[in-house]
Amino acid sequence: EPEVTQTPSHQVTQMGQEVILRCVPISNHLYFYWYRQILGQKVEFLVSFYNNEISEKSEIFDDQFSVERPDGSNFTLKIRSTKLEDSAMYFCASSESDKVSGNTIYFGEGSWLTVV
Amino acid sequence: DQQVKQNSPSLSVQEGRISILNCDYTNSMFDYFLWYKKYPAEGPTFLISISSIKDKNEDGRFTVFLNKSAKHLSLHIVPSQPGDSAVYFCAASAADSWGKLQFGAGTQVVVTP
Repeated sequence: EPEVTQTPSHQVTQMGQEVILRCVPISNHLYFYWYRQILGQKVEFLVSFYNNEISEKSEIFDDQFSVERPDGSNFTLKIRSTKLEDSAMYFCASSESDKVSGNTIYFGEGSWLTVV
Repeated sequence: DQQVKQNSPSLSVQEGRISILNCDYTNSMFDYFLWYKKYPAEGPTFLISISSIKDKNEDGRFTVFLNKSAKHLSLHIVPSQPGDSAVYFCAASAADSWGKLQFGAGTQVVVTP
């Protein structure tokens, strides 16, 4: 079964450092997303991406965050200057289309980011 | 932001019995609902979904019921199996914001022998 893959599975970084989380969405999917889950909290939407541009972003997704599809397969989330509160599990997800009926969003295994 | 609520943090059920998980929402713009299952240190796995034009959707052991007037949905798992022990998340989206899922806090299900 096709799956969304994410690297790294776990990264520890110092506060203020830049971090890039990588994702390979399902191959025929056109819509890509990043979500995160801070320990003990809900899964939260960060950003959606289609046709090489951001479709929607949450208030969490400030100027410290950026996303990119550098080639035909990868989708990345960059945090420019990490803060302690960025420590969370980051999930990449993808969907075939934006049509509601009969569609769904598939999630990767997550990248656990620890900022120290 | 409590647009999607799962008021039961945990549920214990015997193997072979029915598991019923509940979810309430407040945003009347939500028109698509999904259930995900999650094991520790893994990503959410899609289980089943329902659009607001239906009131029931069934897939194998999983059935989701939607009551739009009450803004309530439920997931039934019959029969429950030990492998069903996981956290179950309800999620909702609006048609004009499809990929922006709002998640509930999750319900930890434990299936006992």
